[in-house]
Amino acid sequence: QKEVEQDPGPLSVPEGAIVSLNCTYSNSAFQYFMWYRQYSRKGPELLMYTYSSGNKEDGRFTAQVDKSSKYISLFIRDSQPSDSATYLCAMRTGGFKTIFGAGTRLFVKA
Amino acid sequence: NAGVTQTPKFRILKIGQSMTLQCTQDMNHNYMYWYRQDPGMGLKLIYYSVGAGITDKGEVPNGYNVSRSTTEDFPLRLELAAPSQTSVYFCASSPDALDHSNQPQHFGDGTRLSIL
Repeated sequence: QKEVEQDPGPLSVPEGAIVSLNCTYSNSAFQYFMWYRQYSRKGPELLMYTYSSGNKEDGRFTAQVDKSSKYISLFIRDSQPSDSATYLCAMRTGGFKTIFGAGTRLFVKA
Repeated sequence: NAGVTQTPKFRILKIGQSMTLQCTQDMNHNYMYWYRQDPGMGLKLIYYSVGAGITDKGEVPNGYNVSRSTTEDFPLRLELAAPSQTSVYFCASSPDALDHSNQPQHFGDGTRLSIL
């Protein structure tokens, strides 16, 4: 079993839709949870960062962490064609080693 | 405002050849990392460094070597290229991975390497 599971998609939605991206994990010691966005032929860039459980909102993006279920989510409201990218979840314990999910490819159709 | 710069962007190697992937950062970050990204597999840590002169193995170090003589540079060396090393390689840096504040990793745009 992988430490972090993420559905690779692709996920295709119409412009303006609410997008839900998810990851599950097995290591209960993870404390820091991140979402990275990766455009084609570019490096990942940090989108959202959450410490421990709870929600965090930044503009159209909301990150949720449910440590009891070992489940994290990223919601994108009013999705735009420019949101088309691969979204990587990532998490780590108190140390520096970060475990990445395989990434979900998202297509937002105009 | 360069951030993390990787060269070359693309390279084709023959089996058994050697090459060095270059990585430099201008943010004065202590921590630097090398990852490989394969389709459907996510990012796998190859090597990391916590400062000049200090390096250590990550999850998939076999077939690679690194050095860190300066804070800015963290080259990755492939000695005897094998087809299994065909991948996209990303270098990243962060100011202090052990700080509990938001210390994200900053990534370069990758080197796409094919070994034939």
